[in-house]
Formats: sequence, structure tokens, C-alpha cells
Amino acid sequence: DTAVSQTPKYLVTQMGNDKSIKCEQNLGHDTMYWYKQDSKKFLKIMFSYNNKELIINETVPNRFSPKSPDKAHLNLHINSLELGDSAVYFCASSQGGRAGELFFGEGSRLTVL
Amino acid sequence: GDSVTQMEGPVTLSEEAFLTINCTYTATGYPSLFWYVQYPGEGLQLLLKATKADDKGSNKGFEATYRKETTSFHLEKGSVQVSDSAVYFCALSDQGNAGKSTFGDGTTLTVKP
Repeated sequence: DTAVSQTPKYLVTQMGNDKSIKCEQNLGHDTMYWYKQDSKKFLKIMFSYNNKELIINETVPNRFSPKSPDKAHLNLHINSLELGDSAVYFCASSQGGRAGELFFGEGSRLTVL
Repeated sequence: GDSVTQMEGPVTLSEEAFLTINCTYTATGYPSLFWYVQYPGEGLQLLLKATKADDKGSNKGFEATYRKETTSFHLEKGSVQVSDSAVYFCALSDQGNAGKSTFGDGTTLTVKP
């Protein structure tokens, strides 16, 4: 069983389009995250939800909108895609109150043409 | 704010060589420290962790000791294998900062036979 699963794994789209990436975790964790990894492998946190409540919202364009329908799911919707949005997006989860260990999904590679 | 500085890469070693990847941190609280590994085409996975000063984390022949006096958490392995080729990330989690994890920039390791 995959602990943190993301779909799609690959996404190729045109500038200006809107796309979504879905994430689900079956670990029973209460906190979920979205990270962006650029071509140099730098990781940057974007959002964090705890029990469906937004708790971390880094400086991210408001074209990016996370949605957490329940604590096992965290989706990322991106409007009006730009070339600079091309990256690998990782979903992760953790159990609040513990040592902060993160469990990552396999990543979703977004390419904007 | 919190920050993590790790040795710049890329690092290229021959099989059975000794590996050290340096990592230092700054944090306002008492963070937990982690090393994550990212194999090609995969998400990050926890390699080892330490939650308090002088703790040693170890896994798969890798070790790192939480040194509060030098604010360091250097990763070491006595004899690397080709299969250790990956990107290694040092990270900290500060529970006083909404449990937010801060990552270093990653160090790419290539081990040649």
C-alpha cells in the first residue's frame, strides 16, 4: 500500500491553463504539505494543513490554491499556469506533535510549455 | 528564522570510499534533525534522525550525531556503494514553528564503481 500517493505523476500543459494535482495519505496523519522542488533540487514549502485547517502559507502566488476536503487528502489547484511553475511538486504528511518526520509522495512533475 | 546549510555538491566518490556531508543549522528552539535521501525519480525518504543533543541517528550504514555545541549534524558512511548515489537533504523540524521543516539545498552524491 502506498502511504502517500499523488496523481498525476506527470503533467504537461500549455501556459495559461488550469491544472490540479491530488494527494492522499493512508497513514492516519493529521498534517499534510505541498513542497515545490525546482530543477536544482531546491525544496520549498508552499502550504501546510492540519486537520483541514491551513497553518502554513508561504509566499506563493495566489494562482496556487490548496484544498483539503478531509485530513487524508490535500489537493493543489493552479490557475493560469506560467513557465516558471514547471517543477516537481511533492505532497507530504506528518503526525503533529511528533518529531516532525515527513513522509513524501513520489512527486508530480509539471511541465508548462 | 531557522536555516540549514549543507555542503555544496556534487560529490563524486569511488566505491568503498568514506563519505562525509557537512550540515550546520540555526534554530531558535530545540529542533529535531533529519537526513532525507532522494533516489533518482523518487520522493524523499527519511534516512535517519535525532531528536536531542548527543543523539546519534543511524541507518543503512549511515550515521549522524546531533552536536548542539557546534550546531551540526554531519552525515557519514564508512564505505559507500554505487546504490548510495542520490541527493541527500539535511533538515530540521522546530515544533515551536508550527512544526515546519526547513531543508538544506541538497547534496548530490555519485558513487562510481
